[in-house]
Amino acid sequence: AQKVTQAQTEISVVEKEDVTLDCVYETRDTTYYLFWYKQPPSGELVFLIRRNSFDEQNEISGRYSWNFQKSTSSFNFTITASQVVDSAVYFCALSEGTGNQFYFGTGTSLTVIP
Amino acid sequence: ETGVTQSPTHLIKTRGQQVTLRCSSQSGHNTVSWYQQALGQGPQFIFQYYREEENGRGNFPPRFSGLQFPNYSSELNVNALELDDSALYLCASSPDLGTYGYTFGSGTRLTVV
Repeated sequence: AQKVTQAQTEISVVEKEDVTLDCVYETRDTTYYLFWYKQPPSGELVFLIRRNSFDEQNEISGRYSWNFQKSTSSFNFTITASQVVDSAVYFCALSEGTGNQFYFGTGTSLTVIP
Repeated sequence: ETGVTQSPTHLIKTRGQQVTLRCSSQSGHNTVSWYQQALGQGPQFIFQYYREEENGRGNFPPRFSGLQFPNYSSELNVNALELDDSALYLCASSPDLGTYGYTFGSGTRLTVV
């Protein structure tokens, strides 16, 4: 079974629209970490945010915000006023407290149209 | 401070051959992990090295092997290449076993023909 599910394969928005990328995870561990990474066409994964399982406080960083809800096992990512430079593939990932590997979702390809 | 660098950037090999991919970790990072990313998929964990010892392995066959050197750089070796090994291979380093996240390199694009 997939530990991280990103149901949205591709999303297209017009510049300045808001967009939310969904992430649902599955784990039996009580201690775990959730991440979002951005992968531009160049290939490297760029770290965006880390959340631990004990901190459900939502976070905002500029145009980016994250909504972590343990009750629904979701860790959604919203980009406000999207820009063309936001076009990339976005990955959600889970690291369990007992392990040493990241479980990545299949990614959401975001295209921002000027 | 330099990030994670991988070489080569692109590689074409023939089925059955062997390949070695190289990774220089970010300065101060003692943990290196390797991931395989097939086209249109998320990265899959191959293994992790911590202070020159293998510290966990994903669901990959033994023909995938690795090394970490005293300077914490790393190699990924793949023997008896198969067509399905064609993928982007990502190296990632961390100062703390990945707890606070990894710094990723740009990857090596391997094509097996």
